[in-house]
Amino acid sequence: AAGVIQSPRHLIKEKRETATLKCYPIPRHDTVYWYQQGPGQDPQFLISFYEKMQSDKGSIPDRFSAQQFSDYHSELNMSSLELGDSALYFCASSPRTGLGIYEISSGANVLTFGAGSRLTVL
Amino acid sequence: AQRVTQPEKLLSVFKGAPVELKCNYSYSGSPELFWYVQYSRQRLQLLLRHISRESIKGFTADLNKGETSFHLKKPFAQEEDSAMYYCALSAMRHGSSNTGKLIFGQGTTLQVKP
Repeated sequence: AAGVIQSPRHLIKEKRETATLKCYPIPRHDTVYWYQQGPGQDPQFLISFYEKMQSDKGSIPDRFSAQQFSDYHSELNMSSLELGDSALYFCASSPRTGLGIYEISSGANVLTFGAGSRLTVL
Repeated sequence: AQRVTQPEKLLSVFKGAPVELKCNYSYSGSPELFWYVQYSRQRLQLLLRHISRESIKGFTADLNKGETSFHLKKPFAQEEDSAMYYCALSAMRHGSSNTGKLIFGQGTTLQVKP
């Protein structure tokens, strides 16, 4: 079965450069989430999109921006990179939000994660 | 505020021993609780969710609303269970105000020794 695809898997950048990460959700999943996992840290929620609109925002720096496109893939753009941005960036997708109890019990709200994109800032 | 606490960073047991990974949560509404597992160099994978009340790979977890806990248990640990385990919470997604994001605990590394 198709999973969540992230690219690139590894990325090395220098300070003050920019980087773009891409996420392709599972087909028919219209909600995308971005997480940042620093070394030895738990995944921190950055931002999410539902039907191409931002649906929630977490601890995403102002230097970062993201969007979801008409084909539901999402891109995370990071500018003025800092050493502290070095982390594993996970994308996850799930079916539509605003579900009833029936859909929840059927597993429709479960997040499926990609393999992550490892960003190293030198 | 939503919060998930996993008090143990590392849990080391011998093969065949019982395992309990602790998870406590803080949320005023109706939470949905999950356990995700991350094997070495692999992606986060769903292990189980409280609403389905199932046993996966011998693991079970019961939601205790009185103690606000969702501890993960397995009676006999196997070496292949060695991984990082994350407890996560999501608001019940019945309503437009719920976005479905997961709040993760700090994670517990389970090390099963031969």
